[in-house]
Amino acid sequence: GAVVSQHPSRVICKSGTSVKIECRSLDFQATTMFWYRQFPKQSLMLMATSNEGSKATYEQGVEKDKFLINHASLTLSTLTVTSAHPEDSSFYICSARGPGSYEQYFGPGTRLTVT
Amino acid sequence: EDQVTQSPEALRLQEGESSSLNCSYTVSGLRGLFWYRQDPGKGPEFLFTLYSAGEEKEKERLKATLTKKESFLHITAPKPEDSATYLCAVQAFNYQLIWGAGTKLIIKP
Repeated sequence: GAVVSQHPSRVICKSGTSVKIECRSLDFQATTMFWYRQFPKQSLMLMATSNEGSKATYEQGVEKDKFLINHASLTLSTLTVTSAHPEDSSFYICSARGPGSYEQYFGPGTRLTVT
Repeated sequence: EDQVTQSPEALRLQEGESSSLNCSYTVSGLRGLFWYRQDPGKGPEFLFTLYSAGEEKEKERLKATLTKKESFLHITAPKPEDSATYLCAVQAFNYQLIWGAGTKLIIKP
């Protein structure tokens, strides 16, 4: 149980284009989903928290117009990196938490490379 | 200030050599402490949640313990497949999740 998928696992895009990453909870309803960014050999950096049907809450320093988050259903959240630039290249990981639960279950991550 | 510190940063062991990883924390009220395992290029895999001092949980060769100031992840007779980065995270009363930097564990055959 508690399986989270992410798609795509890897994406290469050109500078200036937008990229959408999907995060799905496969066997539970995720009332809250989280988006993280991880740089090489560093720990997880929380970007934003989203509750189903509500606007996402972004961490300080994260541009909400650049990283668009939609949590339209209890099983799907999307992160769109708009007008991507090489500095946006990173490993993006989503996690999901069910109702009344403290544990977050993570997806396998998406490696984004912007050329 | 709420903080989570993991030590050591890296640990190299021979196969079968038992040891412990440490996660020290200072938070304004503890809701839970979590241990995760992360393999290179993958998302973290949930291992344990501990809620109160004195609690212990086990899974195969891993055992997690919790005191009021720290948690230990004990690894008994590790195998090469236990090599990974182990992450500790603490949830404070305000529901904020604070992550440690992780301990990279390498088990040599």
